[in-house]
Amino acid sequence: AQRVTQPEKLLSVFKGAPVELKCNYSYSGSPELFWYVQYSRQRLQLLLRHISRESIKGFTADLNKGETSFHLKKPFAQEEDSAMYYCALLKSGAGKSTFGDGTTLTVKP
Amino acid sequence: IAGITQAPTSQILAAGRRMTLRCTQDMRHNAMYWYRQDLGLGLRLIHYSNTAGTTGKGEVPDGYSVSRANTDDFPLTLASAVPSQTSVYFCASSDAGGQDTQYFGPGTRLTVL
Repeated sequence: AQRVTQPEKLLSVFKGAPVELKCNYSYSGSPELFWYVQYSRQRLQLLLRHISRESIKGFTADLNKGETSFHLKKPFAQEEDSAMYYCALLKSGAGKSTFGDGTTLTVKP
Repeated sequence: IAGITQAPTSQILAAGRRMTLRCTQDMRHNAMYWYRQDLGLGLRLIHYSNTAGTTGKGEVPDGYSVSRANTDDFPLTLASAVPSQTSVYFCASSDAGGQDTQYFGPGTRLTVL
């Protein structure tokens, strides 16, 4: 069965510091991976997906099939990045995603 | 365009009562989902529907039922609520038969006493 692991429930960094939110997955097929973000008092929304290979709000994530990882990175964290981040895996053809437990990021001034 | 909406925003419910959480989307997405969000447990899929007329069980379906009579609506029913169903419930939808980004509703905060 597919599984998504976000090992850090809480992550705290200072403004301007680099940040990396870890995501590991287990899935035997070709996965589609996403990062969703939930800012305070807002609904979950897509941050980025690996097939887009784009940078959103300064965040990037590279799919590493060898390490089965999809870590989210930003070189210089901003206070407005404070939020809950979920990594999700979409099993090709299944039509439903598996979410990790989420990581709460706090960026301190 | 509203996107995806949920009602009610929040509800306090006595144990044993029946409750239906409503979810409506106007994006003509085929796939819809219900999740519950609990501290430390992340998002867990309750039920899903890949297209109108079909539904499927997710990770934690017990105590919940859904229906998908049309494309737009995907209500979630708790037949007899229990305190362990206290949670924040999110509805989501996606296009391309579920092979695409999910769009989430604002959530319903449910407390079962």
